[in-house]
Amino acid sequence: GQQLNQSPQSMFIQEGEDVSMNCTSSSIFNTWLWYKQDPGEGPVLLIALYKAGELTSNGRLTAQFGITRKDSFLNISASIPSDVGIYFCAGQPPNSNYQLIWGAGTKLIIKP
Amino acid sequence: SAVISQKPSRDICQRGTSLTIQCQVDSQVTMMFWYRQQPGQSLTLIATANQGSEATYESGFVIDKFPISRPNLTFSTLTVSNMSPEDSSIYLCSVEDPFSGALYGYTFGSGTRLTVV
Repeated sequence: GQQLNQSPQSMFIQEGEDVSMNCTSSSIFNTWLWYKQDPGEGPVLLIALYKAGELTSNGRLTAQFGITRKDSFLNISASIPSDVGIYFCAGQPPNSNYQLIWGAGTKLIIKP
Repeated sequence: SAVISQKPSRDICQRGTSLTIQCQVDSQVTMMFWYRQQPGQSLTLIATANQGSEATYESGFVIDKFPISRPNLTFSTLTVSNMSPEDSSIYLCSVEDPFSGALYGYTFGSGTRLTVV
């Protein structure tokens, strides 16, 4: 089945730094989604992307739907302590009504 | 967005017993899903809870182990049956949120952290 490769697995950054993470696949997706999960909570949708090449921002977050439809990236600018958490990408495969394929997650840790 | 209440938030259970997890939504939703998230891992879809019919299970999950009820458009339960330590995970309820403004903008409950001893 389709798989997503999400990297990096974890990131240690200083407050104020910019962050970049990405997901890639050998297969195409119709939709890319980025979620954040805080400890003890379920994932929360950050950004949804529906068209190849689409670039969307949500505050300090920016995500893009790769032109090949096989990848997406998420950037966080000027990180703050509340950005800590696990970020997941998810893709909706063609011919799927509702099923999402999930990346393994990127754990963001901010060094004190 | 839709508000999901998931209970219990955590439990420690003896092997061989069963636990039923409840998911209550504050609005009517068509699609409800149950996910499993093993420690430090990503999310795996267990099944789609269908109102008025049997749940649709993903490969590797069976009804005898994970029976699901969906009596109406705001409520669902997932039972983890005959538990073993390998069932220790976070179980998450999710809905296709009509208020999210995003297609496939699924909203998740806070999860049930299950430990089987």
